[in-house]
Amino acid sequence: SQELEQSPQSLIVQEGKNLTINCTSSKTLYGLYWYKQKYGEGLIFLMMLQKGGEEKSHEKITAKLDEKKQQSSLHITASQPSHAGIYLCGARSGSYQLTFGKGTKLSVIP
Amino acid sequence: NAGVTQTPKFRILKIGQSMTLQCTQDMNHNYMYWYRQDPGMGLKLIYYSVGAGITDKGEVPNGYNVSRSTTEDFPLRLELAAPSQTSVYFCASSYSWHHRGYGYTFGSGTRLTVV
Repeated sequence: SQELEQSPQSLIVQEGKNLTINCTSSKTLYGLYWYKQKYGEGLIFLMMLQKGGEEKSHEKITAKLDEKKQQSSLHITASQPSHAGIYLCGARSGSYQLTFGKGTKLSVIP
Repeated sequence: NAGVTQTPKFRILKIGQSMTLQCTQDMNHNYMYWYRQDPGMGLKLIYYSVGAGITDKGEVPNGYNVSRSTTEDFPLRLELAAPSQTSVYFCASSYSWHHRGYGYTFGSGTRLTVV
């Protein structure tokens, strides 16, 4: 079965700093999804990457997919307190299922 | 624009009790899913459904049952609650199985404690 490993497990950054979260798959990636979760809430879809080399941005969040390395990175520029939460990556495993990583907890200190 | 609605938000059960976690979506999505989230363990798929009348087991189905009589509703049933079922449960739905560009829409979760 496919496994997704996220690093780091947790991250504390000062407001205004940049940061990167990585997601590495044990198998070939056929699409990689990034979600954000705030405590007590559900997961919010951020973006999906499908092709090797693909890069997408939403506001100050950029995600890239490296198919050869079976890896995706999520980069946040000039972090803000609103970026705090748990970031999860997900990838298709089997016909109808998404497998998720264990998440990266991000704290942003003012 | 309700999206995916889960009830209840919180529940405390005694060992051996039964309950149903409700999930309904108003987006006419064919695909629906139940996940549980344990601290530090990520999300584990319990059951999923590809349409009304069709359900299948995910990674951790033991102790749970589901039904899908309508497109909108996908309830999760716990028959004999055990402490190992203490978790946060998320229901999700999607437009298509290959999720192209859409991803899943998640409910806000049900926090269940079994004592």
